Amino acid sequence: GDSVTQTEGPVTLSEGTSLTVNCSYETKQYPTLFWYVQYPGEGPQLLFKVPKANEKGSNRGFEATYNKEATSFHLQKASVQESDSAVYYCALMNYNQGKLIFGQGTKLSIKP
Amino acid sequence: EAAVTQSPRNKVTVTGGNVTLSCRQTNSHNYMYWYRQDTGHGLRLIHYSYGAGNLQIGDVPDGYKATRTTQEDFFLLLELASPSQTSLYFCASSGDWGGNYAEQFFGPGTRLTVL
Repeated sequence: GDSVTQTEGPVTLSEGTSLTVNCSYETKQYPTLFWYVQYPGEGPQLLFKVPKANEKGSNRGFEATYNKEATSFHLQKASVQESDSAVYYCALMNYNQGKLIFGQGTKLSIKP
Repeated sequence: EAAVTQSPRNKVTVTGGNVTLSCRQTNSHNYMYWYRQDTGHGLRLIHYSYGAGNLQIGDVPDGYKATRTTQEDFFLLLELASPSQTSLYFCASSGDWGGNYAEQFFGPGTRLTVL
């Protein structure tokens, strides 16, 4: 079945440093890929989605490129801020069953 | 503005107790979902629904029932709660997921503790 694997957390970084959260997926379909973010005390919310291979999504300084050949969708940010502290989820859409397949989440903590 | 609300926000019950978690969405979405969130497991799908009266089994359905009474309302039922069901529960809704859409909007969560 479909699956998503991402960087195991927690990840702690200093403010101003760069971030990469790895995401790899397995599926026999051609999915839309998503990054969700969950801030403390809130439900997850969409960061951005990318429906097509070789395209890039971005929002709030975060970006990821849909790499169909490598089956990857790594999240990157050049310079993190304390406000980026959150849990980040990579996900793919299983259109046959109408549901999102989530990775296990990566908890990110940014030190001031 | 589109919204997903959940009630109660916190619930404590005892082993063997009955619990109903409620979710309402004002997004006019057809699809609604129940997830549980646990450290190390991320978000796991319990049940979901395509519309009023419809129910689909998710990935971790054991011990849970669900009912979709209207387009707006989706309920999760734990009829004999066990400590293993202590978790943070999220409800979500989405529009038609065909094609490239399928963004899910999440509620604020219900924290359930089973003693």
